[in-house]
Amino acid sequence: SAVISQKPSRDICQRGTSLTIQCQVDSQVTMMFWYRQQPGQSLTLIATANQGSEATYESGFVIDKFPISRPNLTFSTLTVSNMSPEDSSIYLCSVEASGLNTGELFFGEGSRLTVL
Amino acid sequence: AQKVTQAQTEISVVEKEDVTLDCVYETRDTTYYLFWYKQPPSGELVFLIRRNSFDEQNEISGRYSWNFQKSTSSFNFTITASQVVDSAVYFCALSEWSNYQLIWGAGTKLIIKP
Repeated sequence: SAVISQKPSRDICQRGTSLTIQCQVDSQVTMMFWYRQQPGQSLTLIATANQGSEATYESGFVIDKFPISRPNLTFSTLTVSNMSPEDSSIYLCSVEASGLNTGELFFGEGSRLTVL
Repeated sequence: AQKVTQAQTEISVVEKEDVTLDCVYETRDTTYYLFWYKQPPSGELVFLIRRNSFDEQNEISGRYSWNFQKSTSSFNFTITASQVVDSAVYFCALSEWSNYQLIWGAGTKLIIKP
């Protein structure tokens, strides 16, 4: 298993500002995933972050809006840039459970952002 | 195209009742994995089960049981003798061997009333 810590757990932000979410894993992992969960909705994958390379973004998400860092095998950050109320969501960091590419994931507790 | 459908948006039952959450999936792959995750009000997603496409045996874990039927492309989840602590949003998800990224259902909000 993996223990994932996310900071902040929640925040209230002003329109036009940026916020960086941190994700720390208690073990080394190859891939880390960032998800967004808008209120009352399912999860949407934002990007996959591999250590030592640029993140791979899903359709509808761009690096300028959601820059990601992956400086080592246990840590990643996601920045939500130039926020608007539409960015109010839970942002979740996750890692694969077994490294076998089966899709089984461990999740952090999420960062609940409210943009005013 | 791959897809996961959870037709039940919200279910409300009284404690101790049995409840079944439906999940129907679509995939062209012959090798795939199916999952159920639980998201309690605290927000953290908790893995419940993974089933691969070659294992159609039903699984029971305490009050939880899962019925996988390839013939109907369904992977339903039953909670027996429900408890208030079971109240959560439950997500069904699919990953294909050709693309392991999870495809998520819309989730079913389960409310267990005391």
